[in-house]
Amino acid sequence: GAVVSQHPSWVICKSGTSVKIECRSLDFQATTMFWYRQFPKQSLMLMATSNEGSKATYEQGVEKDKFLINHASLTLSTLTVTSAHPEDSSFYICSATDRNAYEQYFGPGTRLTVT
Amino acid sequence: GIQVEQSPPDLILQEGANSTLRCNFSDSVNNLQWFHQNPWGQLINLFYIPSGTKQNGRLSATTVATERYSLLYISSSQTTDSGVYFCAVSIQGAQKLVFGQGTRLTINP
Repeated sequence: GAVVSQHPSWVICKSGTSVKIECRSLDFQATTMFWYRQFPKQSLMLMATSNEGSKATYEQGVEKDKFLINHASLTLSTLTVTSAHPEDSSFYICSATDRNAYEQYFGPGTRLTVT
Repeated sequence: GIQVEQSPPDLILQEGANSTLRCNFSDSVNNLQWFHQNPWGQLINLFYIPSGTKQNGRLSATTVATERYSLLYISSSQTTDSGVYFCAVSIQGAQKLVFGQGTRLTINP
């Protein structure tokens, strides 16, 4: 149980284009989903928290107009990197938790390369 | 905000050895999780352990919430145990996790 998937697992895009990453909870209803980014040999940094049906809460320093998050259903959240630049290249990981729970389950991550 | 410190940052051992990884945190927590990040980047849930002791095969963990630390024990290490081990916590009243910097474990054959 508690499986989270991400799609795509890797993506290469040109500078200036937008990329959408999907995060799905496969066997539970995820009332809350989280988006993290991780640079090589570093730890995970939380970007934003999304609750189903409401606007995402972004961490300090994260541009909400650049990283658009939508949590339209209890099993799907999407992260769209708009007008991507090479410095947005990173490993993006989502996690999910169900109602009134604290334990988080993580997706396999998406490696984004912007050329 | 809450601070999470992991030690040691790097650990190199021979196959069969035992190891202890430590996680210190600076405030009361309602969640503490240990993860193993494999070479492909996937975070594997090892333990959800805001307090107490748990064991799963060769791995066990203990969290002493009143003293604000947690320990992860790995016995009879195997090469497949190599990777980065992260501790992450959330404070009372919150769900979002704050990660430590990780311990990079290398098990040599």
